[in-house]
Amino acid sequence: DTGVSQDPRHKITKRGQNVTFRCDPISEHNRLYWYRQTLGQGPEFLTYFQNEAQLEKSRLLSDRFSAERPKGSFSTLEIQRTEQGDSAMYLCASSPTLVVVDTQYFGPGTRLTVL
Amino acid sequence: AQSVTQPDIHITVSEGASLELRCNYSYGATPYLFWYVQSPGQGLQLLLKYFSGDTLVQGIKGFEAEFKRSQSSFNLRKPSVHWSDAAEYFCAVGGSGYSTLTFGKGTMLLVSP
Repeated sequence: DTGVSQDPRHKITKRGQNVTFRCDPISEHNRLYWYRQTLGQGPEFLTYFQNEAQLEKSRLLSDRFSAERPKGSFSTLEIQRTEQGDSAMYLCASSPTLVVVDTQYFGPGTRLTVL
Repeated sequence: AQSVTQPDIHITVSEGASLELRCNYSYGATPYLFWYVQSPGQGLQLLLKYFSGDTLVQGIKGFEAEFKRSQSSFNLRKPSVHWSDAAEYFCAVGGSGYSTLTFGKGTMLLVSP
């Protein structure tokens, strides 16, 4: 069990550029979650997958955001036409079971800075 | 909708002193409650969780928390704080019908020598 990994750990981009983040969950974890954390705030839910199906999306997830989990393993989160307000830490988490609520294990996060 | 309030933004505790971090939640049914810790620039590490049963739960690093339904609280405690406990602590709630977690804004713990 190597834990949840995220890549890259840091990303600096210019406003208007597209960025993509990757998350590798703990092996065989069915659920994968994306959260966003801004300075001084707790993580806020963006979206989650159960295997390859995207089951829920937050209102925070604008049309510029898209997430995929094509084979039910790793996931990508893409932000198109980045804005300065997108600057945040993007956290990925996974959980092992299909019960309604289970423990979520978090990765180290990707810190995005939009200039 | 579910929500979490952590009333203290910052707390400073002397090393060796006891600690209590407050968490109040709002949820219509039996909640699932979590405490996570986050060191600077890092992800979140689970300290402990409450799903059901004994209302006093033990976690890692000597932490414990008590679920009090009548007060809608899930306060985190540690009898003797170590300098390495300095970090930000987040309380979170989940529950039936909500597969995701709702987090509080966090409490930053500072440990003085």
